[in-house]
Amino acid sequence: NAGVIQTPRHKVTGKGQEATLWCEPISGHSAVFWYRQTIVQGLEFLTYFRNQAPIDDSGMPKERFSAQMPNQSHSTLKIQSTQPQDSAVYLCASTRDRGGNTLYFGEGSRLIVV
Amino acid sequence: GDKVKQSPSALSLQEGTNSALRCNFSIAATTVQWFLQNPRGSLINLFYLVPGTKENGRLKSAFDSKESYSTLHIRDAQLEDSGTYFCAATNSAGNKLTFGIGTRVLVRP
Repeated sequence: NAGVIQTPRHKVTGKGQEATLWCEPISGHSAVFWYRQTIVQGLEFLTYFRNQAPIDDSGMPKERFSAQMPNQSHSTLKIQSTQPQDSAVYLCASTRDRGGNTLYFGEGSRLIVV
Repeated sequence: GDKVKQSPSALSLQEGTNSALRCNFSIAATTVQWFLQNPRGSLINLFYLVPGTKENGRLKSAFDSKESYSTLHIRDAQLEDSGTYFCAATNSAGNKLTFGIGTRVLVRP
């Protein structure tokens, strides 16, 4: 069991460019979560898929951020026209079913927007 | 306001001593999870709790849903226990975890 795999581990992008982050959940896990971690805000929920369907995206900034789960083995988080305030560690997690089960996190993707 | 409030914000422990971390919830928490974020940044799941207690080695955790709090006890602290401890809770909808701001723990030799 390789755990939750996130790529890239680090990304530096220029302001206004697009950034795409990838997540491969643990095989057999049906729920995938995206969180963002910053020093100021801590760990913030972004969005959540169950069986590839978007369930709750209440934490997603309304503009520029989008997430997809095209198949059960990967999810993407895309940020368009990146801004310096988007700099954060983006964490993906998976669990067997709903959020009420043990959550397993990947090591995160550190995004720096310059 | 803070839906999940952790205390203390930071803790310095002598190796071999005991300590306790606490989370208070202003949401109707139904499950609680505790994580340790190591220096590499990985969030390691320590406990998943419904109301009650669990123990794993030198760690013990309790969750009281009626009083809306959870505790994590560290016994005989070791250097490798250093890191940031997070608690997180789900409500009855059982979807997303809401995290506390974390407790930074440093174990000194």
